[in-house]
Amino acid sequence: LAKTTQPISMDSYEGQEVNITCSHNNIATNDYITWYQQFPSQGPRFIIQGYKTKVTNEVASLFIPADRKSSTLSLPRVSLSDTAVYYCLVGVTGGYQKVTFGTGTKLQVIP
Amino acid sequence: GAVVSQHPSWVICKSGTSVKIECRSLDFQATTMFWYRQFPKQSLMLMATSNEGSKATYEQGVEKDKFLINHASLTLSTLTVTSAHPEDSSFYICSASGAVAKNIQYFGAGTRLSVL
Repeated sequence: LAKTTQPISMDSYEGQEVNITCSHNNIATNDYITWYQQFPSQGPRFIIQGYKTKVTNEVASLFIPADRKSSTLSLPRVSLSDTAVYYCLVGVTGGYQKVTFGTGTKLQVIP
Repeated sequence: GAVVSQHPSWVICKSGTSVKIECRSLDFQATTMFWYRQFPKQSLMLMATSNEGSKATYEQGVEKDKFLINHASLTLSTLTVTSAHPEDSSFYICSASGAVAKNIQYFGAGTRLSVL
Protein backbone atom coordinates (compact mmCIF):
# COMPACT_ATOMS: atom_id res chain seq x y z
CA LEU A 1 0.00 0.00 0.00
CA ALA A 2 1.26 3.44 -0.87
CA LYS A 3 1.79 5.51 2.26
CA THR A 4 0.85 9.16 2.04
CA THR A 5 2.26 12.14 3.90
CA GLN A 6 0.43 15.46 4.17
CA PRO A 7 0.83 18.54 6.35
CA ILE A 8 -1.21 18.16 9.51
CA SER A 9 -2.78 21.59 9.23
CA MET A 10 -2.89 24.76 7.15
CA ASP A 11 -4.41 28.19 7.57
CA SER A 12 -5.57 30.44 4.76
CA TYR A 13 -7.49 33.69 4.40
CA GLU A 14 -10.73 33.79 2.53
CA GLY A 15 -10.39 34.40 -1.18
CA GLN A 16 -6.90 32.98 -1.45
CA GLU A 17 -5.79 29.95 -3.42
CA VAL A 18 -4.80 27.00 -1.26
CA ASN A 19 -2.40 24.28 -2.35
CA ILE A 20 -2.14 21.08 -0.31
CA THR A 21 0.66 18.72 -1.24
CA CYS A 22 0.69 14.99 -0.61
CA SER A 23 3.78 12.79 -0.84
CA HIS A 24 3.42 9.20 -1.98
CA ASN A 25 6.89 7.95 -2.80
CA ASN A 26 5.98 4.28 -3.24
CA ILE A 27 3.00 4.76 -5.53
CA ALA A 28 2.40 1.76 -7.77
CA THR A 29 1.92 1.85 -11.52
CA ASN A 30 -1.80 1.12 -11.30
CA ASP A 31 -2.53 3.48 -8.41
CA TYR A 32 -4.84 6.45 -8.77
CA ILE A 33 -4.62 9.58 -6.61
CA THR A 34 -7.89 10.66 -5.05
CA TRP A 35 -8.70 13.56 -2.75
CA TYR A 36 -11.58 13.73 -0.30
CA GLN A 37 -13.01 16.45 1.91
CA GLN A 38 -14.49 15.72 5.31
CA PHE A 39 -16.51 17.98 7.58
CA PRO A 40 -16.99 17.08 11.25
CA SER A 41 -19.43 14.24 11.85
CA GLN A 42 -19.90 13.60 8.13
CA GLY A 43 -18.59 11.04 5.70
CA PRO A 44 -15.83 12.12 3.33
CA ARG A 45 -16.84 13.67 0.04
CA PHE A 46 -15.05 12.98 -3.23
CA ILE A 47 -13.29 16.04 -4.65
CA ILE A 48 -11.08 14.97 -7.51
CA GLN A 49 -9.08 12.08 -8.90
CA GLY A 50 -6.17 11.82 -11.25
CA TYR A 51 -3.55 9.48 -12.58
CA LYS A 52 -0.99 11.83 -14.11
CA THR A 53 -0.51 15.44 -15.25
CA LYS A 54 -3.31 17.85 -14.41
CA VAL A 55 -6.98 17.36 -13.75
CA THR A 56 -9.49 20.14 -13.19
CA ASN A 57 -13.14 20.10 -12.23
CA GLU A 58 -15.60 22.68 -10.99
CA VAL A 59 -14.22 22.76 -7.46
CA ALA A 60 -10.50 21.98 -7.62
CA SER A 61 -7.42 21.17 -9.65
CA LEU A 62 -5.03 18.31 -9.13
CA PHE A 63 -1.42 18.56 -10.23
CA ILE A 64 0.63 15.39 -10.57
CA PRO A 65 4.29 15.53 -11.67
CA ALA A 66 5.72 13.04 -14.11
CA ASP A 67 7.22 10.80 -11.41
CA ARG A 68 3.85 10.69 -9.59
CA LYS A 69 5.59 10.65 -6.21
CA SER A 70 3.56 13.60 -5.05
CA SER A 71 0.39 15.47 -5.90
CA THR A 72 -1.02 18.89 -5.14
CA LEU A 73 -4.65 19.73 -4.58
CA SER A 74 -5.41 23.32 -5.50
CA LEU A 75 -8.51 25.05 -4.18
CA PRO A 76 -9.15 28.40 -5.86
CA ARG A 77 -10.46 31.31 -3.79
CA VAL A 78 -11.37 29.44 -0.62
CA SER A 79 -14.29 30.47 1.55
CA LEU A 80 -15.11 29.77 5.18
CA SER A 81 -17.15 26.76 4.10
CA ASP A 82 -13.98 25.11 2.80
CA THR A 83 -12.75 24.66 6.37
CA ALA A 84 -12.46 20.87 6.60
CA VAL A 85 -10.02 17.99 6.63
CA TYR A 86 -8.62 17.00 3.25
CA TYR A 87 -7.39 13.48 2.63
CA CYS A 88 -5.15 12.25 -0.13
CA LEU A 89 -5.60 8.58 -1.01
CA VAL A 90 -3.46 6.49 -3.30
CA GLY A 91 -4.42 3.10 -4.64
CA VAL A 92 -7.09 1.23 -6.49
CA THR A 93 -10.42 -0.02 -5.24
CA GLY A 94 -12.52 -2.92 -6.27
CA GLY A 95 -11.92 -6.60 -5.86
CA TYR A 96 -9.75 -7.11 -2.82
CA GLN A 97 -7.80 -3.95 -3.21
CA LYS A 98 -8.00 -1.25 -0.60
CA VAL A 99 -6.70 2.19 0.16
CA THR A 100 -5.65 3.55 3.52
CA PHE A 101 -6.48 6.97 4.87
CA GLY A 102 -3.55 8.99 6.13
CA THR A 103 -3.73 11.71 8.73
CA GLY A 104 -5.27 14.28 6.40
CA THR A 105 -4.75 18.06 6.36
CA LYS A 106 -6.93 20.25 8.54
CA LEU A 107 -7.55 23.43 6.53
CA GLN A 108 -8.73 26.41 8.52
CA VAL A 109 -10.03 29.33 6.45
CA ILE A 110 -9.81 32.64 8.25
CA PRO A 111 -12.13 35.58 7.53
CA GLY B 1 -25.27 10.56 -9.05
CA ALA B 2 -23.22 8.19 -6.87
CA VAL B 3 -25.23 8.55 -3.70
CA VAL B 4 -24.66 6.33 -0.68
CA SER B 5 -27.25 6.29 2.05
CA GLN B 6 -26.36 5.19 5.56
CA HIS B 7 -28.84 4.54 8.35
CA PRO B 8 -29.27 5.27 11.12
CA SER B 9 -27.31 8.48 11.44
CA TRP B 10 -27.29 8.23 15.22
CA VAL B 11 -28.02 5.41 17.61
CA ILE B 12 -27.86 4.98 21.37
CA CYS B 13 -28.02 1.50 22.81
CA LYS B 14 -27.52 -0.29 26.07
CA SER B 15 -24.42 -2.32 26.71
CA GLY B 16 -24.84 -5.91 25.57
CA THR B 17 -27.32 -5.21 22.79
CA SER B 18 -26.67 -5.45 19.06
CA VAL B 19 -26.94 -2.65 16.55
CA LYS B 20 -27.31 -2.92 12.80
CA ILE B 21 -26.17 -0.20 10.42
CA GLU B 22 -27.26 -0.19 6.79
CA CYS B 23 -25.37 1.15 3.82
CA ARG B 24 -27.09 1.47 0.45
CA SER B 25 -25.85 2.65 -2.91
CA LEU B 26 -28.88 4.41 -4.34
CA ASP B 27 -27.98 4.95 -7.97
CA PHE B 28 -25.18 2.57 -8.80
CA GLN B 29 -24.16 -1.02 -8.27
CA ALA B 30 -21.54 -1.32 -5.56
CA THR B 31 -19.28 -4.24 -6.25
CA THR B 32 -17.16 -3.35 -3.24
CA MET B 33 -18.15 -1.76 0.05
CA PHE B 34 -15.92 -0.62 2.86
CA TRP B 35 -16.58 -0.04 6.53
CA TYR B 36 -14.57 2.45 8.52
CA ARG B 37 -14.41 3.56 12.10
CA GLN B 38 -13.38 7.04 13.15
CA PHE B 39 -12.57 8.31 16.62
CA PRO B 40 -12.71 12.04 17.43
CA LYS B 41 -9.99 14.08 15.74
CA GLN B 42 -8.53 10.97 14.11
CA SER B 43 -8.43 9.65 10.60
CA LEU B 44 -10.66 6.92 9.22
CA MET B 45 -9.59 3.41 10.10
CA LEU B 46 -10.57 0.68 7.68
CA MET B 47 -12.38 -2.15 9.43
CA ALA B 48 -13.30 -4.43 6.55
CA THR B 49 -13.82 -4.72 2.83
CA SER B 50 -16.73 -6.62 1.40
CA ASN B 51 -17.41 -7.74 -2.13
CA GLU B 52 -20.93 -8.65 -3.16
CA GLY B 53 -21.61 -12.30 -2.58
CA SER B 54 -18.33 -12.91 -0.76
CA LYS B 55 -17.32 -12.94 2.86
CA ALA B 56 -15.88 -9.71 4.15
CA THR B 57 -12.15 -9.30 4.55
CA TYR B 58 -11.37 -7.87 7.96
CA GLU B 59 -8.37 -5.77 8.87
CA GLN B 60 -5.96 -6.99 11.47
CA GLY B 61 -7.28 -6.43 14.95
CA VAL B 62 -10.93 -6.19 13.95
CA GLU B 63 -13.03 -8.96 15.48
CA LYS B 64 -15.15 -10.49 12.76
CA ASP B 65 -17.49 -12.12 15.28
CA LYS B 66 -18.17 -8.78 16.87
CA PHE B 67 -18.53 -6.73 13.71
CA LEU B 68 -20.66 -8.81 11.36
CA ILE B 69 -20.69 -7.59 7.79
CA ASN B 70 -23.11 -8.76 5.15
CA HIS B 71 -23.02 -7.65 1.51
CA ALA B 72 -25.97 -9.56 0.17
CA SER B 73 -26.68 -7.49 -2.90
CA LEU B 74 -25.03 -4.97 -5.18
CA THR B 75 -26.75 -2.11 -3.37
CA LEU B 76 -26.79 -3.10 0.29
CA SER B 77 -24.24 -3.87 2.97
CA THR B 78 -24.89 -4.10 6.67
CA LEU B 79 -22.65 -3.86 9.70
CA THR B 80 -23.92 -5.40 12.93
CA VAL B 81 -22.13 -4.55 16.13
CA THR B 82 -22.90 -7.50 18.36
CA SER B 83 -22.98 -7.29 22.16
CA ALA B 84 -21.96 -3.67 22.05
CA HIS B 85 -19.92 -2.17 24.86
CA PRO B 86 -19.03 1.43 25.65
CA GLU B 87 -15.63 1.04 23.97
CA ASP B 88 -17.48 0.36 20.70
CA SER B 89 -18.86 3.89 20.78
CA SER B 90 -17.55 5.60 17.68
CA PHE B 91 -18.41 7.07 14.29
CA TYR B 92 -18.92 4.34 11.70
CA ILE B 93 -18.77 5.20 8.01
CA CYS B 94 -19.42 3.06 4.98
CA SER B 95 -18.33 3.62 1.42
CA ALA B 96 -19.14 1.99 -1.88
CA SER B 97 -17.26 1.56 -5.11
CA GLY B 98 -18.61 0.30 -8.39
CA ALA B 99 -17.85 -0.21 -12.01
CA VAL B 100 -19.06 3.26 -12.98
CA ALA B 101 -16.13 4.94 -11.25
CA LYS B 102 -14.05 2.01 -10.22
CA ASN B 103 -11.40 3.73 -8.16
CA ILE B 104 -13.60 6.19 -6.34
CA GLN B 105 -15.23 5.46 -3.02
CA TYR B 106 -18.52 7.22 -2.32
CA PHE B 107 -19.22 7.61 1.34
CA GLY B 108 -22.30 7.49 3.50
CA ALA B 109 -22.99 10.22 6.02
CA GLY B 110 -21.84 8.05 8.90
CA THR B 111 -23.46 6.61 12.00
CA ARG B 112 -22.72 7.88 15.47
CA LEU B 113 -22.96 4.95 17.89
CA SER B 114 -23.16 5.60 21.61
CA VAL B 115 -23.20 2.58 23.91
CA LEU B 116 -24.33 3.27 27.46
